[in-house]
Amino acid sequence: AQSVTQLGSHVSVSEGALVLLRCNYSSSVPPYLFWYVQYPNQGLQLLLKYTSAATLVKGINGFEAEFKKSETSFHLTKPSAHMSDAAEYFCAVSVGLEFSGGYNKLIFGAGTRLAVHP
Amino acid sequence: SQTIHQWPATLVQPVGSPLSLECTVEGTSNPNLYWYRQAAGRGLQLLFYSVGIGQISSEVPQNLSASRPQDRQFILSSKKLLLSDSGFYLCAWRKREATGELFFGEGSRLTVL
Repeated sequence: AQSVTQLGSHVSVSEGALVLLRCNYSSSVPPYLFWYVQYPNQGLQLLLKYTSAATLVKGINGFEAEFKKSETSFHLTKPSAHMSDAAEYFCAVSVGLEFSGGYNKLIFGAGTRLAVHP
Repeated sequence: SQTIHQWPATLVQPVGSPLSLECTVEGTSNPNLYWYRQAAGRGLQLLFYSVGIGQISSEVPQNLSASRPQDRQFILSSKKLLLSDSGFYLCAWRKREATGELFFGEGSRLTVL
């Protein structure tokens, strides 16, 4: 069964430092993977997605993620953190796209809360 | 462009009272629709999803139910709320032919007292 594991429920970085949020997946079929961001009391916003094209995926707000099949990883990075990046980040894997009938859902990791301090 | 709205944004209800959260999508047709719950300090749990009018799949046994009376309308209900129903409820939609990403509403925060 497909699943994702996010290592580290809380990550704290200094403004201007590298952001690295870790995600490992488990999937019996080639996965579609996603990163979402959630600001307090808001819904989730799609940052980027991997759909089996380029392994390095660029998203919004300067974030990118690299799909590494050998490591079953899809880590999220940003070269220089900004105060506005403080939020909760979720990695997700798509389940069911390989089946007909439109049955599909996203399975989310537990989330990583990113704090950015001056 | 497509938009998704859910309401109410905030709700405080006593234990044992009914619940109705509504979600609508505009600008698309025949979407997949989803209800997720986010409890404090926990990730997102899929509650229900729907691939068409009247077609509801339940992911976990619980005190809640869902209905899809129209193509772009998804309703989450309960006849009698429990304390454990408190949480942040998120509605989402997906294009049937897309690569699996979901688009989320603004969320509804439910507090059961």
